[in-house]
Amino acid sequence: GAVVSQHPSRVICKSGTSVKIECRSLDFQATTMFWYRQFPKQSLMLMATSNEGSKATYEQGVEKDKFLINHASLTLSTLTVTSAHPEDSSFYICSASPGEPYEQYFGPGTRLTVT
Amino acid sequence: GQNIDQPTEMTATEGAIVQINCTYQTSGFNGLFWYQQHAGEAPTFLSYNVLDGLEEKGRFSSFLSRSKGYSYLLLKELQMKDSASYLCAPMDSNYQLIWGAGTKLIIKP
Repeated sequence: GAVVSQHPSRVICKSGTSVKIECRSLDFQATTMFWYRQFPKQSLMLMATSNEGSKATYEQGVEKDKFLINHASLTLSTLTVTSAHPEDSSFYICSASPGEPYEQYFGPGTRLTVT
Repeated sequence: GQNIDQPTEMTATEGAIVQINCTYQTSGFNGLFWYQQHAGEAPTFLSYNVLDGLEEKGRFSSFLSRSKGYSYLLLKELQMKDSASYLCAPMDSNYQLIWGAGTKLIIKP
C-alpha cells in the first residue's frame, strides 16, 4: 500500500520552455501533497505544500509564478516549471500524505535537465 | 531555529549491526520519521516514533527520547543493499517534516 507515482521520470527540455510533472497517489487519498527539490548530495528542500482544492503554500524563496502547482483531486497534483532555465535542472520529488500521523510517501522523482 | 544533527557518513560490515544517531531541535514536535534514500532515488519510509521507546520492524528498529531530542536507527544483519543514505526527519508543530542531509551508510563485504 501507499504507492505514489510520478511522471515523467526523466525530462530534458530547452531553456524557456515549460515542463509539467504529475504526481499521483495510487491506493490512498492524499489530504496533502508536497513538492521537493534535491540537488546532488544535498538535503531535500521543500518547495510547496498543497491541499486538494486550495492554493499551494510556497516556501520562502520559491517563486509561485515560476513553479505552478495544481492539486485538482485527492489523488493528483501537478507541478509546472515555467520558462525553465539551466539552473532549474534538479531532481524534483513529490510526496503525499494520507493524513494523521502525516507520514509522507514519496514518488520516484523526476530528473529535469534544462539545456 | 530548527536543526538536525546526524553523522555525515558511516561504514559497517555486511552481517554486522550499525546504529545511526540523530539529535534534533524543532519548534514543537509531532513525531520523528526515518527514511532510506538510495543514490539517485526518492526516499522510502522506514519508521515513525511519536512516543519514547523502541519500535522494532524486522531488521530495523528506531528509538526516540523526546526529552533529549534524540533518536537512533538500528540496522541488524546488514546487507549490501542497505548501503544508502538514512534521513532523520522530525515533524514540527505545523506537521512539517524537517530534513537534514542524512547519513550515508557504506556497507563493506
